[in-house]
Amino acid sequence: EAGVTQFPSHSVIEKGQTVTLRCDPISGHDNLYWYRRVMGKEIKFLLHFVKESKQDESGMPNNRFLAERTGGTYSTLKVQPAELEDSGVYFCASSQRTNSPLHFGNGTRLTVT
Amino acid sequence: GENVEQHPSTLSVQEGDSAVIKCTYSDSASNYFPWYKQELGKGPQLIIDIRSNVGEKKDQRIAVTLNKTAKHFSLHITETQPEDSAVYFCAASMGGGSNYKLTFGKGTLLTVNP
Repeated sequence: EAGVTQFPSHSVIEKGQTVTLRCDPISGHDNLYWYRRVMGKEIKFLLHFVKESKQDESGMPNNRFLAERTGGTYSTLKVQPAELEDSGVYFCASSQRTNSPLHFGNGTRLTVT
Repeated sequence: GENVEQHPSTLSVQEGDSAVIKCTYSDSASNYFPWYKQELGKGPQLIIDIRSNVGEKKDQRIAVTLNKTAKHFSLHITETQPEDSAVYFCAASMGGGSNYKLTFGKGTLLTVNP
């Protein structure tokens, strides 16, 4: 079984530019989550999809971040415009049910210069 | 909201020794406590978890203990091996339908010296 895959693995962009991160969950997992770890801080929850619906986006830092999951398969997280404080590692995770263990991808390391 | 403190931030042991990582949480409503291992260049991988109706859980060389009264839980690794070297994260959540909303500790970098 393929795990959670994320693309790209690294992204370096300038302040003010736009970046789109992609996550492909484990096949059959309706639940998809985004987390991020900024430098020196904890891994923090961003949002949760069940199929194509956003169930909880309480962790999204501001309206520069937009997550989508059209068709309930893969998800994208767009940052527009990017700011320096957005630098960090963005993790995607998926699970079969909301009370099932989370399976994390390898993350996308975003650097905003 | 929930706050999870993790100690130590770095831990160095000799191969064959035991390693213990401790976490405390603030919200007494938390009842699901997973531990994740993150190797270089990879994402966090679940290694063991415990729910609040259990005081201890063991899986081969790894064990987790939970003290709900004191609001702390610990990871114990026995007979450490070099491949145990990684960053370990503890986490807490309300469990039930909210397992996904994990509050993580800051992580412990474990180095096992051969």
